Amino acid sequence: EVQLVESGGGLVQPGRPLRLSCAASGFTFGDHAMHWVRQAPGKGLEWVSGISWNSGSIVYADSVRGRFTISRDNAKNSLYLQINSLRAEDTALYYCIGSSSWFYFESWGQGTLVTVSS
Amino acid sequence: QSVLTQSPSVSGAPGQRVTISCTGSSSNIGAGYDVHWYQKLPGTAPKLLIYTNTNRPSGVPDRFSGSRSGTSASLDITGLQAEDEADYYCQSYDGSLSGYVFGGGTKLAVL
Repeated sequence: EVQLVESGGGLVQPGRPLRLSCAASGFTFGDHAMHWVRQAPGKGLEWVSGISWNSGSIVYADSVRGRFTISRDNAKNSLYLQINSLRAEDTALYYCIGSSSWFYFESWGQGTLVTVSS
Repeated sequence: QSVLTQSPSVSGAPGQRVTISCTGSSSNIGAGYDVHWYQKLPGTAPKLLIYTNTNRPSGVPDRFSGSRSGTSASLDITGLQAEDEADYYCQSYDGSLSGYVFGGGTKLAVL
């Protein structure tokens, strides 16, 4: 069974950094593209960033480019999202996603909540 | 506002059929990029419902079907059931933005 477990969320002050992690199991992690998608309270889904199986392709939404860094460690079956200079508008539930396709989002974790507030 | 446009809500009685539409533009759906659909039940993570316009992942009932034409796509749900009450999102890729885009979501109410 595919399992994606996010961690690292919490209450953070504006301007501070945060690192989200996602532990994957139940599938061949190194063969899959991985993404982060977020959902702000009361809002819809927003794609944040994606990384190919070998980290050769990395893409970001315009809203986060320059502040967010996605990475993966295939030896540890783990995905990461480094968030710098947090803003109030980054408050959201962040989902980790694994997919055999680069173009859609197959398996979702339960999400980790990031709240940015002073 | 979302790059892909969906009606905020739709409703139907049990057993009926509903259609959820997703309208894009020449830089996403109209450019030939595929459309995918997700179901988000209250309090749970989104679930892939339809991929590559018309395909259902294993375990998704055939009451759910998708189509794409021009700059739009549709999700059809037949034989509505109470457990279908959820938010539904379309998703594609936008060549101008060089990124993935979602619709704003459609809340389905089963009356």
